Amino acid sequence: GENVEQHPSTLSVQEGDSAVIKCTYSDSASNYFPWYKQELGKRPQLIIDIRSNVGEKKDQRIAVTLNKTAKHFSLHITETQPEDSAVYFCAARGADKLIFGTGTRLQVFP
Amino acid sequence: KAGVTQTPRYLIKTRGQQVTLSCSPISGHRSVSWYQQTPGQGLQFLFEYFSETQRNKGNFPGRFSGRQFSNSRSEMNVSTLELGDSALYLCASSSRGRGQETQYFGPGTRLLVL
Repeated sequence: GENVEQHPSTLSVQEGDSAVIKCTYSDSASNYFPWYKQELGKRPQLIIDIRSNVGEKKDQRIAVTLNKTAKHFSLHITETQPEDSAVYFCAARGADKLIFGTGTRLQVFP
Repeated sequence: KAGVTQTPRYLIKTRGQQVTLSCSPISGHRSVSWYQQTPGQGLQFLFEYFSETQRNKGNFPGRFSGRQFSNSRSEMNVSTLELGDSALYLCASSSRGRGQETQYFGPGTRLLVL
């Protein structure tokens, strides 16, 4: 069935460093790839998304890249700050439902 | 617009009981999806409703069911609760639940089964 794998499961970085989270998907029909950030005790919030006709998208310190041939996409956070600490989920939508990765717990140390 | 709301926010039940959770989507949204979130398992898709019809279903036992009303509000029901059903249950709404739409999440209902 459809599957989204996400790595790493935990990531610790020093404030100011970059963080990269990678996801691969199995459904070649997937055409929408959102990323959600979930802070402790809060709901997942969309931070950026990318559509299949685009290879890269940036929003300030956050960027997402998509490689449809290899079926993988990545989230890049530059100049990390302590408030970036959260769990990040990638997701892929194919013909119908949105399938989520298992999440990456990012910790940014001051 | 008001965001997605869920009630109740917290619930404690015992094994064997049943529970009903409610989700009110963003005004105008007709698609409501439900997810179970447990530590280490991420967000597991339960089902999706659109215009009062279940359109998709995940790999959960028949004890998990849901419905959607004409005003797009949705409920999910879990019967014969088991300890492993303890989780955060999230609902998300979108306009049509198709294509490249954003899903907006509610705050979740945290269920503890004792």
